[in-house]
Formats: sequence, structure tokens, C-alpha cells
Amino acid sequence: GQQVMQIPQYQHVQEGEDFTTYCNSSTTLSNIQWYKQRPGGHPVFLIQLVKSGEVKKQKRLTFQFGEAKKNSSLHITATQTTDVGTYFCPAYSGAGSYQLTFGKGTKLSVIP
Amino acid sequence: NAGVTQTPKFQVLKTGQSMTLQCAQDMNHNSMYWYRQDPGMGLRLIYYSASEGTTDKGEVPNGYNVSRLNKREFSLRLESAAPSQTSVYFCASSGGYQPQHFGDGTRLSIL
Repeated sequence: GQQVMQIPQYQHVQEGEDFTTYCNSSTTLSNIQWYKQRPGGHPVFLIQLVKSGEVKKQKRLTFQFGEAKKNSSLHITATQTTDVGTYFCPAYSGAGSYQLTFGKGTKLSVIP
Repeated sequence: NAGVTQTPKFQVLKTGQSMTLQCAQDMNHNSMYWYRQDPGMGLRLIYYSASEGTTDKGEVPNGYNVSRLNKREFSLRLESAAPSQTSVYFCASSGGYQPQHFGDGTRLSIL
């Protein structure tokens, strides 16, 4: 199945600093989804990117899908303590499959 | 809307005991999934059901069985629990390639 590598695995930032996590695939992705999991919580869907070069924003969060549809990034501007959690960028395991391969995600800690 | 409901929320078992984790969704989704989450390991797929009447193995199916009872319900059974199955278990559902909706999880400890 398709494997998406996500970096970094851990990130500690001071409140107010920016944060970026990157997802890279060796194969072309049909789309990519982003999820956030707060500590002690369950993953919650944030957004789905489908088009080559697509950029979407949700308040301080900016999501990008690469031109070749092999990479994606999530950028958070001026982090807040509410941004704490693990961010995942799962991809579908293969053609015709509804399986999402989640990986380890990026765990973000925000120091107040 | 309840979304995805998992029961129980917490459970402690002894090695060798059996139990069934229940999951139900009210979003009329065709696909349902069981994941386990261990520290530092991310989410790993145990089993999934693409539609009512079908089930398939995921990445880590050993030691588990599933039943897609109807469109709403998808249960996960541990026949003989082992300490290595101590984990947080999440059920999710989706409409095909649409985003997955997760339950609150079951925190399972096996002594």
C-alpha cells in the first residue's frame, strides 16, 4: 500500500511561533486528508486536498498539496496552546481501497 | 447526532479472558474500521468492513475477529486476551472515500 512519511515526529514550539509538518510519498496520491488528535481524544478530520497545487486555509492553519501530488504540508501560524496534539496525514492504501494508512503523525507541544 | 459510539470506554481483563468491543454508527456509512493505537506507533488498522457483509484484514489482525452485524454495527472480539493487546481501540466509519469519523475509543488493559 501507499506509504506516506511524515516529519518531524515530534515538535516543541514556544507559543506564538509557527509550526510546519510535512508528508511525503514516493507515489502519486489521489488525495490526502489531515486529522488532528488532541491528547486523550480521538482523531478528528480537518481537511481533504484533492487537486494538484491546492492550498486551503482554516484560520491559522494552511494546508498545501504539492504540484506532483506526492507531498503535502500543514503550516500553523502563531501557535496557541489549543494547537497541541498529534497531526496525521493518512493516504489511501491503494487503488480501490478504502483503507487509510495513518502512520505515527507529528506530535506538537506548545510551551506557554 | 451520536456519530460513532463505542462501548465500553474502559476495560480491564486478565490474560486469557475474552471480550467483545462494540461499535455503532448512525451516519448510514458503508465502511467501518477498527484501529489500535499504542504509544509512539500511531494508528494501525486491525480489520475493516468496506460494506455490510464483508470484512477484511488490516495491518495487525492477529488475535482478533470481527463481525459486521448490520450496516450500523461492527464488533471486535478478543478470544483470548494477551498483555500485548493492551491498547486504545478506535472504531471509525466513512462513506467510501469520504473522511473517517471516529468514536471516543476503548482503553483496554490486559493484566
